[in-house]
Amino acid sequence: DIVMTQSPDSLAVSLGERATINCKSSQSVLYGPNNKNYLTWYQQKPGQPPKLLIYWASTRESGVPDRFSGSGSGTDFTLTISSLQAEDVAVYYCQQYYTTPYTFGQGTKLEIK
Amino acid sequence: QVQLVQSGSTLKMPGASVKLSCQASGYRFKSYAVNWVRQAPGQGLEWIGWINTNSGKPENAQGFTGRFVFSLDTSVNTAYLQISRLEAEDTAVYYCVRASGWAFDHWGQGTAVTVSS
Repeated sequence: DIVMTQSPDSLAVSLGERATINCKSSQSVLYGPNNKNYLTWYQQKPGQPPKLLIYWASTRESGVPDRFSGSGSGTDFTLTISSLQAEDVAVYYCQQYYTTPYTFGQGTKLEIK
Repeated sequence: QVQLVQSGSTLKMPGASVKLSCQASGYRFKSYAVNWVRQAPGQGLEWIGWINTNSGKPENAQGFTGRFVFSLDTSVNTAYLQISRLEAEDTAVYYCVRASGWAFDHWGQGTAVTVSS
């Protein structure tokens, strides 16, 4: 199984500041034939199901604000929120969609400082 | 719009069975796989497996074989997850999720299953 490890486990950032969450996979999730990284980011607010933010490591889902961006390739990935808003308080999960079992990171809890 | 509507919360005794439903609307049901994800209280997301809505072929994650069974009723665009011989450790919110070719793009609202005597 591909193990997904996020860092940090929790993060407190001031409003308007940048938040950065890292995700590392135990093996590459880069699919050679189409050169896409099968790495996905989800946001989960309390009492709600997760919401898709970014797929293919860096493609924003329709309707997701452009302050959210994803980067990375192979085994190392980053989710960046460029200017933290109050509504961004949530737990963020990365997931590899490269092969089953589709594994998730343990989650990173983002709070306001 | 795409919607996945799940059955309501349930309380079960240890050893009992439960069948969760997930009714899809707003898209062609057979064009997308349905996955199931579990979230224990205060914990992260755990993939249970998926079912091919075209062929009906399921795939269970290790650790979710035997007691966890996926099924479909394509006449009503509904996927099911049946869990037998419930244990306290099965207490969790269970999500059904539509899978595109690149992500879990639409999630049901979740069904809370509580196993307690």
